[in-house]
Amino acid sequence: NAGVTQTPKFRVLKTGQSMTLLCAQDMNHEYMYWYRQDPGMGLRLIHYSVGEGTTAKGEVPDGYNVSRLKKQNFLLGLESAAPSQTSVYFCASSYQTSSPEQFFGPGTRLTVL
Amino acid sequence: AQSVTQLDSQVPVFEEAPVELRCNYSSSVSVYLFWYVQYPNQGLQLLLKYLSGSTLVKGINGFEAEFNKSQTSFHLRKPSVHISDTAEYFCAVRGINTNAGKSTFGDGTTLTVKP
Repeated sequence: NAGVTQTPKFRVLKTGQSMTLLCAQDMNHEYMYWYRQDPGMGLRLIHYSVGEGTTAKGEVPDGYNVSRLKKQNFLLGLESAAPSQTSVYFCASSYQTSSPEQFFGPGTRLTVL
Repeated sequence: AQSVTQLDSQVPVFEEAPVELRCNYSSSVSVYLFWYVQYPNQGLQLLLKYLSGSTLVKGINGFEAEFNKSQTSFHLRKPSVHISDTAEYFCAVRGINTNAGKSTFGDGTTLTVKP
């Protein structure tokens, strides 16, 4: 099992550019999440999904969009990147009922100039 | 809704000394509790979890935590730390049967083990 994988690992964007971050999990988890991690601020939930075809807003959704067309994939999009979106992005997944802990990917380090 | 407070942002300690990382939480419903560890430039991985039953929970790498319902705390302990324990530690809470499995994380505690 690869667990949770994220693509790409690093990316540098210019202000106004767009990009998509891909998260994939091979554990058949129902729930998937996108977080951003900034120094001293812990993890903040951007968007989440409770199943294929469903998405919902988290704590800091502005400037991001998501899609979950397949159960194993969760995409995070930035339509017009801003310097405030410079961060490390983590994807996670979990079961709906059994084993309530989350499994995390290795992260994507994004810099917006 | 839930909230988590990690009482120490940084904890320096010498190798082979004991350590305690403190975590308090608040919630209007019953909760699951977790500690995750993040090594430099990596994602978070589960250290231990409390779901129900015994309030003393043992995890990987010799860590343990005690759930105290009356004090709404879930402190993490290790009797003797190693250099390799240097990492950031996150306490998290998840309401049982609520919130689509969402967890609320504390701001993290940086544990630095010195030789």
